[in-house]
Amino acid sequence: DADVTQTPRNRITKTGKRIMLECSQTKGHDRMYWYRQDPGLGLQLIYYSFDVKDINKGEISDGYSVSRQAQAKFSLSLESAIPNQTALYFCATSDPGGTGETDTQYFGPGTRLTVL
Amino acid sequence: AQSVTQLGSHVSVSEGALVLLRCNYSSSVPPYLFWYVQYPNQGLQLLLKYTSAATLVKGINGFEAEFKKSETSFHLTKPSAHMSDAAEYFCAVSGRGTSYGKLTFGQGTILTVHP
Repeated sequence: DADVTQTPRNRITKTGKRIMLECSQTKGHDRMYWYRQDPGLGLQLIYYSFDVKDINKGEISDGYSVSRQAQAKFSLSLESAIPNQTALYFCATSDPGGTGETDTQYFGPGTRLTVL
Repeated sequence: AQSVTQLGSHVSVSEGALVLLRCNYSSSVPPYLFWYVQYPNQGLQLLLKYTSAATLVKGINGFEAEFKKSETSFHLTKPSAHMSDAAEYFCAVSGRGTSYGKLTFGQGTILTVHP
């Protein structure tokens, strides 16, 4: 079974609709992230959470919100979807492990979202 | 502040040829550097990372990268390309202090391997 899962894998919705993307992980990591990927732009950080009580905005948080329901679950919501939010969305997790080195991020398979 | 520039959005090589994907970074603190690979319809997979130990880092699938502070570069190489190397490759930087744990990605380089 995959360590980081995302649901749904594909979603088509209409402008103005509320939509939630979900991420679950079995790695036991405290840190979780949401990114969006657009062709030619790489990945951009939307929100990140270093533990259940910690939520932080990333580079492009406008139009998005998140909820960290538990250590293993981190959801991304689009309150009123618009066409330029059409993109590939990735969830990632990491754990510094106490080594003092930066942590490696592990990515889910992605959710392809289309807003018509 | 940190940023990454990948030179060349598309690179094409013949099977068996050298692969060279270029990455330059900017960071106000000593960086951690990563290369990730994304195969079609999949998430990102870590190839290798630099964490201030050896400047030449070996990764999976025969890839390696060399950290050159004077050139602010972290180019990815593989001596002999294989058809299975065709994918999109991302360079990323993570810093320390307030940047700790947050990755900033480059734009990506699509590698095509011809028979």
